[in-house]
Amino acid sequence: EAQVTQNPRYLITVTGKKLTVTCSQNMNHEYMSWYRQDPGLGLRQIYYSMNVEVTDKGDVPEGYKVSRKEKRNFPLILESPSPNQTSLYFCASSLRTHSYNEQFFGPGTRLTVL
Amino acid sequence: AQKVTQAQTEISVVEKEDVTLDCVYETRDTTYYLFWYKQPPSGELVFLIRRNSFDEQNEISGRYSWNFQKSTSSFNFTITASQVVDSAVYFCALSEARGGYQKVTFGIGTKLQVIP
Repeated sequence: EAQVTQNPRYLITVTGKKLTVTCSQNMNHEYMSWYRQDPGLGLRQIYYSMNVEVTDKGDVPEGYKVSRKEKRNFPLILESPSPNQTSLYFCASSLRTHSYNEQFFGPGTRLTVL
Repeated sequence: AQKVTQAQTEISVVEKEDVTLDCVYETRDTTYYLFWYKQPPSGELVFLIRRNSFDEQNEISGRYSWNFQKSTSSFNFTITASQVVDSAVYFCALSEARGGYQKVTFGIGTKLQVIP
């Protein structure tokens, strides 16, 4: 089944404790992206990747890191999480980097930072 | 500056009523794409439709229809004879080409509640 998977789905952590949210897609998509969803703010892009080893900042990259060592994986790293990073996170992928490609989203990761 | 405006944050309708969700966008590009995504209460995001900037034909898919008007920079979404299963948050998104990649901007979403 074609899908984007994220793990964990739910995470409660404390300020400063490094964490990684994994994202994997099995559709051989070139483009992958991370978003956070907050009430009243919609979806905001954190980082994106056009292909292996090619990543760039989105609209709200502060406090996050990403890597794209393999085409299928695009982990989101929070080196020192803070309470303002409490949010619902979505990983997404699309076939190519072209603007006409729709995105396929993972199920979301709900992160709470205490 | 906000590029995708969904002015209706929440809408409630009674089942079988028609409802229109508004989306207004701004871009300097002549080539761009507009999308609608649905987020049901279960939380996943589902692609509904794509429209390119050169195609102003309205689209109908069952009870769903979309009205794209470049003159008013709008891409509105109408649900006819709404059903409880239509209850969800609906996001409008604008995709532009930026240096060979896609830059996607989402609106804040419209939460639709269909009351039985």
